[in-house]
Amino acid sequence: ETGVTQSPTHLIKTRGQQVTLRCSSQSGHNTVSWYQQALGQGPQFIFQYYREEENGRGNFPPRFSGLQFPNYSSELNVNALELDDSALYLCASSLRVGGAFFGQGTRLTVV
Amino acid sequence: AQRVTQPEKLLSVFKGAPVELKCNYSYSGSPELFWYVQYSRQRLQLLLRHISRESIKGFTADLNKGETSFHLKKPFAQEEDSAMYYCALSGLGQGAQKLVFGQGTRLTINP
Repeated sequence: ETGVTQSPTHLIKTRGQQVTLRCSSQSGHNTVSWYQQALGQGPQFIFQYYREEENGRGNFPPRFSGLQFPNYSSELNVNALELDDSALYLCASSLRVGGAFFGQGTRLTVV
Repeated sequence: AQRVTQPEKLLSVFKGAPVELKCNYSYSGSPELFWYVQYSRQRLQLLLRHISRESIKGFTADLNKGETSFHLKKPFAQEEDSAMYYCALSGLGQGAQKLVFGQGTRLTINP
């Protein structure tokens, strides 16, 4: 059984650019959620995918978008990056019920 | 509105002393409550869920619906308990979906 893996671990982007973050879910998990964790804060829910469909969204603008693939892996895309988008982005996979299993995160810095 | 409040950002106790990390919540419905822990240089991981009513690593937490609290307790702290602790909630039956996190409490156990 493999855990949740995210790539890349770190990246630096310029304001206005676009970024894609990737997540491979834990084996057998069909639900993937993305969270943004700013420094000193708890994770904030961005959105969730269940069987390739968006299944709930937090208070984030449309320039945050995502995808889930048939193998349940997922992408988070952010367009028109702003300085405030600098944060740790966490992916979590789960079944419909039960605890979520988190990846190690991607640290995004926007300059 | 859904909200989780952890009033203490930092908590420091001596080894062998009792520990209580406070968590209060507001949720219009039946919540499911969780405690997540992040040890140094490790990923966020589930510590316990109120539904399971189990004790993990000596920690317990009881859901008090009257006080809307889910405090985490351990009678005798150990040095390896030093970590960041997050309280989180989701809707009952939603499992690990769409978690709302508190800001976290950094627990330090002094020798």
